[in-house]
Amino acid sequence: DAGVIQSPRHEVTEMGQEVTLRCKPISGHNSLFWYRQTMMRGLELLIYFNNNVPIDDSGMPEDRFSAKMPNASFSTLKIQPSEPRDSAVYFCASRETGINYGYTFGSGTRLTVV
Amino acid sequence: KQEVTQIPAALSVPEGENLVLNCSFTDSAIYNLQWFRQDPGKGLTSLLLIQSSQREQTSGRLNASLDKSSGRSTLYIAASQPGDSATYLCAGQGGGADGLTFGKGTHLIIQP
Repeated sequence: DAGVIQSPRHEVTEMGQEVTLRCKPISGHNSLFWYRQTMMRGLELLIYFNNNVPIDDSGMPEDRFSAKMPNASFSTLKIQPSEPRDSAVYFCASRETGINYGYTFGSGTRLTVV
Repeated sequence: KQEVTQIPAALSVPEGENLVLNCSFTDSAIYNLQWFRQDPGKGLTSLLLIQSSQREQTSGRLNASLDKSSGRSTLYIAASQPGDSATYLCAGQGGGADGLTFGKGTHLIIQP
């Protein structure tokens, strides 16, 4: 398996622009998670899906952030409009549903908003 | 709300030493605990997963233990090597939430 695939690896954008991050989970994994990593706050859970349905989005910082999972093999995290404080590394992770399965992370997208 | 603390925040030791990284969590109703490694500018690599019914897991030179009653987990690295230099992250799943709660990590440097 190719693992969790994220794109792009790096994104540099100007303040105010829309940014879309993409994630393909491991086939057969029914749960998908979006995390954000910054030096100050470490890794924070933004939102997660079970069977393509958003379960908990309490970690989404503002209404500027939105996430979708139209099917079992694809998810997007969108920021509109982007701000410099959104600069961070965004990780996607997936796992099989159930309490005894571990998480597999993608390589992340490093977002820089200038 | 689950909180995870890792001590020390940074550690530098000579090659060959055995070392222990510590992780503590506030909610003892933890399901699983997972240790990850993160190299600079890279993603997270899973090292060990301790499931709810287990007390420890071993992989090669790594051994992780979980004591729910005391709210602690340790990662033991035997015969450390320069290639072990990385940030080690501890993460717990529990308290009813399905996502992982991470500690801030231990930045480990193994001196050749």
